[in-house]
Amino acid sequence: DQQVKQNSPSLSVQEGRISILNCDYTNSMFDYFLWYKKYPAEGPTFLISISSIKDKNEDGRFTVFLNKSAKHLSLHIVPSQPGDSAVYFCAATNSHTGTASKLTFGTGTRLQVTL
Amino acid sequence: NAGVTQTPKFQVLKTGQSMTLQCAQDMNHNSMYWYRQDPGMGLRLIYYSASEGTTDKGEVPNGYNVSRLNKREFSLRLESAAPSQTSVYFCASSGIGDWYYEQYFGPGTRLTVT
Repeated sequence: DQQVKQNSPSLSVQEGRISILNCDYTNSMFDYFLWYKKYPAEGPTFLISISSIKDKNEDGRFTVFLNKSAKHLSLHIVPSQPGDSAVYFCAATNSHTGTASKLTFGTGTRLQVTL
Repeated sequence: NAGVTQTPKFQVLKTGQSMTLQCAQDMNHNSMYWYRQDPGMGLRLIYYSASEGTTDKGEVPNGYNVSRLNKREFSLRLESAAPSQTSVYFCASSGIGDWYYEQYFGPGTRLTVT
């Protein structure tokens, strides 16, 4: 049972345009969400996060939007740059489950930013 | 400050062989994690250690054992490797306070079991 879903395996966007990556979740106990970026042959790196008490969080070119009623979040990258080409993972957790941050990951979306 | 380090980077095993994947972090984090990544499956949690001296099963623990050797080190052992354990293995750690939920990952170990 996939509790965090990224239904688009891949996305291609032109440099300078907006990239929108989507993520859906089914577990209503999730209350903290993260996006990770992964380059080939490297480990994932943290990009941006959002708590369920907010509906938007912005960090430079990256903005995450959370729609709790739809159990949907999205990552916007504006403007997209060639260096943004990577696999992006959405992750979720329940902040009340103890002392470890057990994350549930989606399957990832491969973003390619073309010139 | 190396962050999270993993050894080895690559390993090929024959079915039935055993091996230990090593992980160390130098960020003074309390919690450490082992994941595997398979095509189309995302990252799945194998085992985690909330703090030194404790370990717990994750989503896919069968066929694995772990040891939290001290605060810095968390190892993953395959006692009798199977082809289904061919995967990329990532170790991660997380701290406390504002950055509690953000896990920092190592570069991964690519394991092939033939």
